Amino acid sequence: GQQVMQIPQYQHVQEGEDFTTYCNSSTTLSNIQWYKQRPGGHPVFLIQLVKSGEVKKQKRLTFQFGEAKKNSSLHITATQTTDVGTYFCAGPYGGATNKLIFGTGTLLAVQP
Amino acid sequence: DAGITQSPRYKITETGRQVTLMCHQTWSHSYMFWYRQDLGHGLRLIYYSAAADITDKGEVPDGYVVSRSKTENFPLTLESATRSQTSVYFCASSELGAGGISPLHFGNGTRLTVT
Repeated sequence: GQQVMQIPQYQHVQEGEDFTTYCNSSTTLSNIQWYKQRPGGHPVFLIQLVKSGEVKKQKRLTFQFGEAKKNSSLHITATQTTDVGTYFCAGPYGGATNKLIFGTGTLLAVQP
Repeated sequence: DAGITQSPRYKITETGRQVTLMCHQTWSHSYMFWYRQDLGHGLRLIYYSAAADITDKGEVPDGYVVSRSKTENFPLTLESATRSQTSVYFCASSELGAGGISPLHFGNGTRLTVT
């Protein structure tokens, strides 16, 4: 069945280091969304990518959608302790644009 | 998000019992979703609804029943709870955006333990 995998599962960094998580889909995606979940919290929407090769930035966060629309990445420059949490990518499931399947997530720990 | 509320926040039940998790949203969003979150599995879609009286299965629907008689409510029922259904359950909603794409807004979750 359709799968969305993320690597790594866990990353521990020193504050100020960069961080990247990768998202890979078994099928081509019409769009991809990214969410952040703080420990003990609920997922919160970060951004949405639609176009092949699209790159979007939110302050220290850079999101990229692959040319083949089967992979995506999130890069955080100079991590801060407020970046701690699990980052999920999500893509449409079964061809339905509004039914999302989530990736396995990457847990980011930031040591001060 | 204050516009989507789940109840209860915590629930302990016994194997074989029926339990219903409630979800209410005040935005009049068309779409509503139920996900479960387990360590090592991330978020998995159980059921979703595109509008009142329209529901469809997600990745892991077995053992669950949903209904949507009103746009604002989307209850999830475990007809005969099993230990494997111990999990954190998240309800989410979204509106139909441009191109059919819009972000999900999640509730705070219900932590369910089946003993």
